[in-house]
Amino acid sequence: DAKTTQPPSMDCAEGRAANLPCNHSTISGNEYVYWYRQIHSQGPQYIIHGLKNNETNEMASLIITEDRKSSTLILPHATLRDTAVYYCIVESGGSNYKLTFGKGTLLTVNP
Amino acid sequence: NAGVMQNPRHLVRRRGQEARLRCSPMKGHSHVYWYRQLPEEGLKFMVYLQKENIIDESGMPKERFSAEFPKEGPSILRIQQVVRGDSAAYFCASSQRPGQLLTYEQYFGPGTRLTVT
Repeated sequence: DAKTTQPPSMDCAEGRAANLPCNHSTISGNEYVYWYRQIHSQGPQYIIHGLKNNETNEMASLIITEDRKSSTLILPHATLRDTAVYYCIVESGGSNYKLTFGKGTLLTVNP
Repeated sequence: NAGVMQNPRHLVRRRGQEARLRCSPMKGHSHVYWYRQLPEEGLKFMVYLQKENIIDESGMPKERFSAEFPKEGPSILRIQQVVRGDSAAYFCASSQRPGQLLTYEQYFGPGTRLTVT
C-alpha cells in the first residue's frame, strides 16, 4: 500500500541540478510530503518537507504541483557526496509519526 | 549541538544471547523512534517512545523485543535470545514535540549494525 512512486535510479552529472520526481496521487489534504536521503550505510537524513507551497532550504528545493499529486526534489548543484538513496514520504503530521520508507531513488552523481 | 547518538555502532552476538542497543536523542528532543533495516530492504518502523512511555510498539515483533526510554538515560532496544534473522541495522531517531503546524522532522542516528552468528 505504497503511498508514493519513485524511479528506482537516476544519474546526474556533478555540478548540474538533480531533479528527483515523486508521484503521490492518493495524497490527502492533511498529508505532508517529506524527503529524506540515506547515504550508504548511514542513518537517514532529513532534507525538506512541504504541504502545498514550494519550499527551499540550504539543502534543496521542493516543488509540489498544484493538485499535490506529485512533487520534485531539486538539488541545485549536485556533488559526489549527494550520491544516496532519496526517499519521498507522505505522512500526516502530528499524531502520525511513523515514517514509511519505500524503496526510494538511488541517485548517482557522476564526475 | 550533538546529534542523535547510538552505541555500539557494531554488535556481534551469538544465537541465544541478548543484544542491548542504546540511543541518546538530540538535546531538547523528548520523542524517540526505532527503525530496523534488514539487508537490502527499506527501513521499517518498530516503536515510538516518549520519556517513561511507550506510545506505539505496533512495529515490534511480538516476542523477544522490548524498548524503554527511562526518565534518565538513553533509550534502550533490547533483543533477547537473538536469532540470525535479527541481523540488521537498527536506527534510532528523535524529534521535538509536534509544533503548532503539527509537523516535525525526525533526526536519525548512525545506527547499530547487529550481526548474529
